[in-house]
Amino acid sequence: KQEVTQIPAALSVPEGENLVLNCSFTDSAIYNLQWFRQDPGKGLTSLLLIQSSQREQTSGRLNASLDKSSGRSTLYIAASQPGDSATYLCAPFSPNDYKLSFGAGTTVTVRA
Amino acid sequence: SQTIHQWPATLVQPVGSPLSLECTVEGTSNPNLYWYRQAAGRGLQLLFYSVGIGQISSEVPQNLSASRPQDRQFILSSKKLLLSDSGFYLCAWSVMTGELFFGEGSRLTVL
Repeated sequence: KQEVTQIPAALSVPEGENLVLNCSFTDSAIYNLQWFRQDPGKGLTSLLLIQSSQREQTSGRLNASLDKSSGRSTLYIAASQPGDSATYLCAPFSPNDYKLSFGAGTTVTVRA
Repeated sequence: SQTIHQWPATLVQPVGSPLSLECTVEGTSNPNLYWYRQAAGRGLQLLFYSVGIGQISSEVPQNLSASRPQDRQFILSSKKLLLSDSGFYLCAWSVMTGELFFGEGSRLTVL
């Protein structure tokens, strides 16, 4: 069974600082890995999808890296803004059972 | 473009009452469909997934059930709700092993 761990559980930074969110997973036999954002009381918004053959994926101020062999992914958010405050979840997709496994998330607060 | 609709957004139900949450996807064919639950302060738990009409896989034993009567429709049901069924229910879809997209969620409170 895939186990996903996200560190830190919570993070508070001043506006403008760069954010580094870590995700580790136990089963490296993944097809892809997805990063999501969740605002309080809302559904999940997909941020980035990294295929298992890729090392990284970028979208605007977001960059996600993937080291499949070591079971790690990192989400970088450059020049953070108060609007980046949310919970960020990573989810590797396992082809064996057709499902994503979720970490508990990292709750980010960006102070103005 | 593809969209996903989930309803109702919020509901309060007494213990022992039935439940029906509905999810529909537009703009795609033969999607994989998923029901997740997020309990307060906890992570996302996969409840059911479906790779086709009438094909439902259950992840955890519970008093909930799911059905897929049409290609792009996924329904979560219960005959008798328990207090422990309270939570935030999320429907999601994907095509094969691609990106997963979520609906806005349904918040269920069982009293």
